[in-house]
Amino acid sequence: GAGVSQSPSNKVTEKGKDVELRCDPISGHTALYWYRQSLGQGLEFLIYFQGNSAPDKSGLPSDRFSAERTGGSVSTLTIQRTQQEDSAVYLCASSLSSGKNNEQFFGPGTRLTVL
Amino acid sequence: AQSVTQLGSHVSVSEGALVLLRCNYSSSVPPYLFWYVQYPNQGLQLLLKYTTGATLVKGINGFEAEFKKSETSFHLTKPSAHMSDAAEYFCAVSDHSGYALNFGKGTSLLVTP
Repeated sequence: GAGVSQSPSNKVTEKGKDVELRCDPISGHTALYWYRQSLGQGLEFLIYFQGNSAPDKSGLPSDRFSAERTGGSVSTLTIQRTQQEDSAVYLCASSLSSGKNNEQFFGPGTRLTVL
Repeated sequence: AQSVTQLGSHVSVSEGALVLLRCNYSSSVPPYLFWYVQYPNQGLQLLLKYTTGATLVKGINGFEAEFKKSETSFHLTKPSAHMSDAAEYFCAVSDHSGYALNFGKGTSLLVTP
């Protein structure tokens, strides 16, 4: 089986544009996570889905960030009116279910550059 | 709040030498601790994890870590470094929520011939 896949692998955009980042979790994994990896902040948790529901959105940095998950599978992270400080690698992970003991499997990430 | 601190953003060892990457945690509840490795342009891969039980945890690629509650530490070791071990290593603790991981800043391991 394939691992977690993310697209695009690289995205360059201009300040003020909207971007959509896609994550395909491992088949059968009910939990899905988004993290952001940046030079200044390290790895930050953004949001988590159990099925199609996102119980905790408190990690999203601003209201320009939103995410959805449909069919308990693919997830999209949308950043509106991008700013230069949004430049980072966005990592997606999935696990069989939520909970401390469940290993999170990470995708290769999407490198976002905002000019 | 649960957090980890990784001492040393860069560590350099010679091939064949002992690898020691340090991680200290802070947690208000019994912690679940993890070490992940990230190779260039790749995602994170789990090396090992501590949940409960045996405090010495063995992982992949010859790595192991020991949970020491008295020292609030979870250091990663490998007896003999290989060139292929050069990568970024992240220590993480499970958040109080039980799903999010709180990562350390990472340690870049350089292995020299």
